[in-house]
Amino acid sequence: GQQLNQSPQSMFIQEGEDVSMNCTSSSIFNTWLWYKQDPGEGPVLLIALYKAGELTSNGRLTAQFGITRKDSFLNISASIPSDVGIYFCAGQLYTGNQFYFGTGTSLTVIP
Amino acid sequence: ETGVTQTPRHLVMGMTNKKSLKCEQHLGHNAMYWYKQSAKKPLELMFVYNFKEQTENNSVPSRFSPECPNSSHLFLHLHTLQPEDSALYLCASSQDQGREAFFGQGTRLTVV
Repeated sequence: GQQLNQSPQSMFIQEGEDVSMNCTSSSIFNTWLWYKQDPGEGPVLLIALYKAGELTSNGRLTAQFGITRKDSFLNISASIPSDVGIYFCAGQLYTGNQFYFGTGTSLTVIP
Repeated sequence: ETGVTQTPRHLVMGMTNKKSLKCEQHLGHNAMYWYKQSAKKPLELMFVYNFKEQTENNSVPSRFSPECPNSSHLFLHLHTLQPEDSALYLCASSQDQGREAFFGQGTRLTVV
């Protein structure tokens, strides 16, 4: 299957700081999704991206579909304690239906 | 009421037991999925159903047997599992196959 590399694997930040994470692949994708998973829960869809270069916001979250179609970025501004969790990217190949998931970025916000 | 509901939330079973996981979606979606989530590994797609028909089986061992009686319900029947099958099993649905998926809360399965 396709391998999506998420970076960083984990982050420890102070409340109020901005956060940046990314997801890269060796393949070209036509859709990127970003999910957040709280402990003991299922992933929750945050943002969906459908076009190269697309920039989409959801509150304090902003995600971008990379121009090369091989990467995507998620930024969180002014982090708060409830931002704690694991953030997953998922990409869909140009030629198929299946979404491939990254291994996640674990975010810890220190009050 | 959440969009995708899974029961039970937690399950402990012996290797000789037979159990079933249940998933129900209230979103009017046409596609439903089973994923396996293990520590330190990406989500693994197991099965896909589209309009009640199985469209994908990602080389899943036969000790996992899915059932989709209608577009709103999905089951995963388990028998003679191994300890390495312990994981979080996630059900998801999407408007159509290939669209963004919405997940349930998962069933934490422990095989002893």
